[in-house]
Amino acid sequence: AQSVTQLDSHVSVSEGTPVLLRCNYSSSYSPSLFWYVQHPNKGLQLLLKYTSAATLVKGINGFEAEFKKSETSFHLTKPSAHMSDAAEYFCVVWSSGTYKYIFGTGTRLKVLA
Amino acid sequence: EAGVAQSPRYKIIEKRQSVAFWCNPISGHATLYWYQQILGQGPKLLIQFQNNGVVDDSQLPKDRFSAERLKGVDSTLKIQPAKLEDSAVYLCASSWEGRGDEQFFGPGTRLTVL
Repeated sequence: AQSVTQLDSHVSVSEGTPVLLRCNYSSSYSPSLFWYVQHPNKGLQLLLKYTSAATLVKGINGFEAEFKKSETSFHLTKPSAHMSDAAEYFCVVWSSGTYKYIFGTGTRLKVLA
Repeated sequence: EAGVAQSPRYKIIEKRQSVAFWCNPISGHATLYWYQQILGQGPKLLIQFQNNGVVDDSQLPKDRFSAERLKGVDSTLKIQPAKLEDSAVYLCASSWEGRGDEQFFGPGTRLTVL
């Protein structure tokens, strides 16, 4: 069975400081992994995706994530937070065994001025 | 390219009434998804279509929810009768082939059941 766990429901950072949003996954097959962002009253937008190529994936708006198979993790990072980064972030796993996309419960990022 | 379109954006109904949502995916996308997102939770898949066939509807409450995707293009999701716990945002998404490729999401329909 596949699953995804976002370890923090809320994260607060000061503007200009690094962001770390944690995601662990479980999959019996080679997974595809995604991070999506959802701003208030908006649809979900893809930040980045991992599909078995480079383990360090660069996305939009300065975000990146590293796939670590040994730790079954896919944490999202950004060197310097901006006020506009305040949103809900979802980690998603897709398995070639089940053909299902499984969403994490989300992490709400708050950026303090 | 045009994104995924959904309507209406907001809907308020009373319990036991019926409601329908419409979704037009990105042109050429074979796979269409309907998700339910309850406040404070991640999206939950209700139904997945591949062209006009159902791939997965295991979490669709079939006693009250129905969905169709005629001609493999746009889709409607219906709730009849609605319950209070159906209050949520209903998201439509589409992708080229549904095999680990990127899903493109519409803006969602916020349903409030009173």
